[in-house]
Amino acid sequence: AQSVTQLDSQVPVFEEAPVELRCNYSSSVSVYLFWYVQYPNQGLQLLLKYLSGSTLVESINGFEAEFNKSQTSFHLRKPSVHISDTAEYFCAVSAAYSGAGSYQLTFGKGTKLSVIP
Amino acid sequence: DAGITQSPRHKVTETGTPVTLRCHQTENHRYMYWYRQDPGHGLRLIHYSYGVKDTDKGEVSDGYSVSRSKTEDFLLTLESATSSQTSVYFCATQNHDEAFFGQGTRLTVV
Repeated sequence: AQSVTQLDSQVPVFEEAPVELRCNYSSSVSVYLFWYVQYPNQGLQLLLKYLSGSTLVESINGFEAEFNKSQTSFHLRKPSVHISDTAEYFCAVSAAYSGAGSYQLTFGKGTKLSVIP
Repeated sequence: DAGITQSPRHKVTETGTPVTLRCHQTENHRYMYWYRQDPGHGLRLIHYSYGVKDTDKGEVSDGYSVSRSKTEDFLLTLESATSSQTSVYFCATQNHDEAFFGQGTRLTVV
């Protein structure tokens, strides 16, 4: 089984400032890692994912996350945030196999990012 | 966007009544999931399906049942709704490495 810990439930940050949203996971098997974003009254959208290969992954809107196996972390960063980044962000993990017929995701409890003008 | 439609989008029901939520997909994805989202808990898996008529329990399955008679449809039934089942319910489908979510159903049990 996997578990995910998002260390901050709320992160306020000023516009154009950098931000880091922290995520740690635990698992006894190899994992895939994901960040999802949820805007108010909407479903979740995939922001970025790590499956294999380069440990640094990027999204199209300037976010990046780095897989650190030794620290079991997958922190999300953005060098300069915009008002439109205000949302809730969820880190998720799944086992990197389909032994039980499922790649089911285990989610953290979420981090609410509030960008202050 | 993946074609995932949840219905209804909002529902208010009384304690003790059965409720069925529907998830319909047009992506032909094998895997489908029902999650509930509650403040401070993130998303928790209720049930999932890995094929037609193949389902299994998730983390918070008590009081819920599911059925999948066709690839496109995954139904979640609250057998006898309780106030603790007031929540936002999300359906998701998945290919091998990405999950796609519906818009959610806000259920209130009074």
